[in-house]
Amino acid sequence: QLILTQSPSASASLGASVRLTCTLSSGHSSYAIAWHQQRPDKGPRYLMKLHNDGSHTKGVGIPDRFSGSSSGAERFLTISSLQSEDEADYYCQTWGTDIQVFGGGTKLTVL
Amino acid sequence: QLQLQESGPGLVKPSETLSLTCTVSGDSINSGRYYWDWIRQPPGKGLEWIGSIYYTGGPYYSPSLKGRVTMSVDTSKNQFSLRLSSVTAADTAFYYCARQMSVAEIDSWGQGTLVTVSS
Repeated sequence: QLILTQSPSASASLGASVRLTCTLSSGHSSYAIAWHQQRPDKGPRYLMKLHNDGSHTKGVGIPDRFSGSSSGAERFLTISSLQSEDEADYYCQTWGTDIQVFGGGTKLTVL
Repeated sequence: QLQLQESGPGLVKPSETLSLTCTVSGDSINSGRYYWDWIRQPPGKGLEWIGSIYYTGGPYYSPSLKGRVTMSVDTSKNQFSLRLSSVTAADTAFYYCARQMSVAEIDSWGQGTLVTVSS
């Protein structure tokens, strides 16, 4: 079964960097994913598509501070030079035959 | 620039059918490059995929909602729609329409609309 697992919460200081993790279920380590950001009381926003080799394609207007990387079944979103506006929920998403799957989301707090 | 706009009643009674429409502007729904999706989010909770549809039809739905969900496309109006039958309070959520690269990532979202199920 295709499942994405995310830690419920993360925190980091203003100006620092943070790495969020999304883990693919067993047997699906080659899958690409997408990352989405949801600021408080807003709809989600597409950030990037991330492949299993770490290559990624960002959406229009996404700052260079956002980057992606991969290791095995883990997919990472790294945000550098954290700003207050980065405080948000971050969701990973993947897809299979006739199915789309979301992770449970990680709530990022900027201290 | 692509825009997706959800529309429909904000209040639905239990056991009735929820109906929403997504109007697409800035792109043609029948371009053939995309699927068109519905996703929902109960207040304070995570995202749940509902279903996806191509401009020629052939929708596929979440197994957890299959049997209650119907999606359709109206290419003449550049719209796609969602119907969810026999709703309960558990169907109260923000409903988002979105564009999906064919069998791949969702790359654009609507702003969402809150639908409350209550008598």
